Amino acid sequence: GIQVEQSPPDLILQEGANSTLRCNFSDSVNNLQWFHQNPWGQLINLFYIPSGTKQNGRLSATTVATERYSLLYISSSQTTDSGVYFCAVSGGGADGLTFGKGTHLIIQP
Amino acid sequence: ETGVTQTPRHLVMGMTNKKSLKCEQHLGHNAMYWYKQSAKKPLELMFVYNFKEQTENNSVPSRFSPECPNSSHLFLHLHTLQPEDSALYLCASSQDQGLSLGNTIYFGEGSWLTVV
Repeated sequence: GIQVEQSPPDLILQEGANSTLRCNFSDSVNNLQWFHQNPWGQLINLFYIPSGTKQNGRLSATTVATERYSLLYISSSQTTDSGVYFCAVSGGGADGLTFGKGTHLIIQP
Repeated sequence: ETGVTQTPRHLVMGMTNKKSLKCEQHLGHNAMYWYKQSAKKPLELMFVYNFKEQTENNSVPSRFSPECPNSSHLFLHLHTLQPEDSALYLCASSQDQGLSLGNTIYFGEGSWLTVV
């Protein structure tokens, strides 16, 4: 199956800083989603982005499908941005999404 | 609110107990999923249901038994679990199983399970 690698595994930043999270995947995908998991376990959809670029407020994402990677940008970080960010992909098979191990982001005040 | 509701949010059970996790989605979706999230591991897909029919079982032990009475409800019946089964169990739904068609998957808040 598809392999998903996320980097960095851990990231500690001060409030106001910008960050870039990366997701590499091993095969072509038809579905790629970024999620934010809050400390209570809730997974929140951030972007559906199998290719191209999208922006939503301080967050934006870019997927270069031909090079098999996606980037999540967080600008002007806030403490509420803390949590784990997951990239998940589907190659078009009958199963659900395959998740990476996530990037654990801590934003310090 | 994502439109996917899970109960209970927290559950502590003994190894000889029988309990069930419940998931309900209000999105009109046809596909529902159970994922397991253990510490330090990626989310693992357990079961997939599409139009109430089970289409995927990722080698899950028989002590986990899913049930999907209709497209809006999904249960995970638990019996004779082991301490290593302690984890966050996440339910999700999508319009249908064909995620390659661009369907977004939505997750519930999860059920934290502790087996003692």
